[in-house]
Amino acid sequence: EDQVTQSPEALRLQEGESSSLNCSYTVSGLRGLFWYRQDPGKGPEFLFTLYSAGEEKEKERLKATLTKKESFLHITAPKPEDSATYLCAVTGTSGSRLTFGEGTQLTVNP
Amino acid sequence: GAVVSQHPSWVICKSGTSVKIECRSLDFQATTMFWYRQFPKQSLMLMATSNEGSKATYEQGVEKDKFLINHASLTLSTLTVTSAHPEDSSFYICSARDTWNTGELFFGEGSRLTVL
Repeated sequence: EDQVTQSPEALRLQEGESSSLNCSYTVSGLRGLFWYRQDPGKGPEFLFTLYSAGEEKEKERLKATLTKKESFLHITAPKPEDSATYLCAVTGTSGSRLTFGEGTQLTVNP
Repeated sequence: GAVVSQHPSWVICKSGTSVKIECRSLDFQATTMFWYRQFPKQSLMLMATSNEGSKATYEQGVEKDKFLINHASLTLSTLTVTSAHPEDSSFYICSARDTWNTGELFFGEGSRLTVL
């Protein structure tokens, strides 16, 4: 059974204070690891897909990296508008379904 | 980017009534759509996989007769919560896979169901 564990559960940062969110996973044959952003009362918004260890992707202040056991979402000089819950999900060779982690609730204070 | 639309965005109903939620892919075709349920401060739990033209595949513990799923076209899937009860109150989210292009999964905005 695929499993995803995200840490920390919640993270408070000051504006400009860089940090990283962790996503540890176990999956049978990783087909993709996904990062989403979710604002309260909204559906998840796609951020990145990573397919193989060593892969990195960037988008504005966000950078996602992947190893064989975990993924990190690095946030550089965050702004208050980066406050949201960040979800990590994986899909394996067992099928096309996504298994989600519990998410990290990020709050960036001005 | 691809857009997935859900309707209604929120609904309040009386216990015992049925509620239908629509999920539409607006600018792409989706042979597969997924329905999730999310309780407050929890992550998304997959309820069922909806396949166009065939029966949905339900996750363990999800009642097929209570959560009816219909995927009649390549752009529309519906979830009907039958004989709703207060414990069915939740945030329901659909997603659709852009089958013929990127294969990426896009999510709708969600539908908040409150059963009184």
